[in-house]
Amino acid sequence: TQLLEQSPQFLSIQEGENLTVYCNSSSVFSSLQWYRQEPGEGPVLLVTVVTGGEVKKLKRLTFQFGDARKDSSLHITAAQPGDTGLYLCAGATGSNYQLIWGAGTKLIIKP
Amino acid sequence: DADVTQTPRNRITKTGKRIMLECSQTKGHDRMYWYRQDPGLGLRLIYYSFDVKDINKGEISDGYSVSRQAQAKFSLSLESAIPNQTALYFCATSGEGANYGYTFGSGTRLTVV
Repeated sequence: TQLLEQSPQFLSIQEGENLTVYCNSSSVFSSLQWYRQEPGEGPVLLVTVVTGGEVKKLKRLTFQFGDARKDSSLHITAAQPGDTGLYLCAGATGSNYQLIWGAGTKLIIKP
Repeated sequence: DADVTQTPRNRITKTGKRIMLECSQTKGHDRMYWYRQDPGLGLRLIYYSFDVKDINKGEISDGYSVSRQAQAKFSLSLESAIPNQTALYFCATSGEGANYGYTFGSGTRLTVV
């Protein structure tokens, strides 16, 4: 069974601090996607990383795909209350590129 | 209009009742999915369809059935609802390929009493 483990499960920090969320697996993925979900809504795609070692930036968010394409990280610089939400990673696998989902990291940024 | 529309948004039903959740998408994608989300368990795949004639079971299909009425429409049925099917249900659609992300609906919060 393929697993994608996210850590930490929960993180509560003050506005302005930096943080990193991790997504780890023993499996190799064709791509790794990050989503953010707000209460009462569905997950929204933030980024897709495809190449081992790839780094993508989205304003204050930096996403990295591991060299072996088994893990990924999301780093947020100077977190703001608007970053609050559930962050989900998902790895595409198999010939049909099915997604394997992490359980999520619940992030709270306090003003 | 939203790319993926789910109805109803909220539903309370009694044990043993049949209930249908509906989903329609305007992305023009062939692939559609039904997930349920429970606290601490993440998203679990119930059924998926890669085109109108293709239906596949996911990891937790027992107690559920689906119908793909058209490229844009994919409905989920609970034949005889039970309390442990109380959850948040999401429909999603995607293109084909590793680069395609999923577009989700806003979800249906289902409570079985």
